[in-house]
Amino acid sequence: GNSVTQMEGPVTLSEEAFLTINCTYTATGYPSLFWYVQYPGEGLQLLLKATKADDKGSNKGFEATYRKETTSFHLEKGSVQVSDSAVYFCALSDRIAGGTSYGKLTFGQGTILTVHP
Amino acid sequence: KAGVTQTPRYLIKTRGQQVTLSCSPISGHRSVSWYQQTPGQGLQFLFEYFSETQRNKGNFPGRFSGRQFSNSRSEMNVSTLELGDSALYLCASSPTVSSTDTQYFGPGTRLTVL
Repeated sequence: GNSVTQMEGPVTLSEEAFLTINCTYTATGYPSLFWYVQYPGEGLQLLLKATKADDKGSNKGFEATYRKETTSFHLEKGSVQVSDSAVYFCALSDRIAGGTSYGKLTFGQGTILTVHP
Repeated sequence: KAGVTQTPRYLIKTRGQQVTLSCSPISGHRSVSWYQQTPGQGLQFLFEYFSETQRNKGNFPGRFSGRQFSNSRSEMNVSTLELGDSALYLCASSPTVSSTDTQYFGPGTRLTVL
């Protein structure tokens, strides 16, 4: 079956530090990859996505590149802010070759990010 | 456009009771999915509906059920509640069921079972 593995957290950084959150996946078909962010007491918000190999998703200074050869989709940001403190989830949805496409998301366990001033 | 709305936002029930949660998708979206979020298990898929048909179901007992109406609104029901059903239940909508679609999440319903 499909699975997503994120780096262990929590991650604590100082403002303006460089951020990397690792994400690797296992999928049976042709997955699309997503990063979602969850702020306290809220639902999930899409941060970025990539739907095919070598695509780069980017938003609000965050970037991630779909690497099929390493089955990875690592999240990066060059300079984090206090307002980036949240829980980050890597996720995938799958499409079977010659078959059905599913919207169902398989999530990683989430990484808590805390940024100090 | 208004986002995904979920009602109620908070619920407190006792073991053995049943509960119904409601989700209104973004206008024009025809697919609705439900997820359960707990500290121990993380985010787990419950169901996926498209055009009033359940297309996919997660690995949950039969006490968890759902449906979708002709206006794409969806409800999920949990019967005979157990303590372990305490969780944040998230609804997400998307235009279709394509794996490339973005799923847009609502704020969730926080269910507490006593």
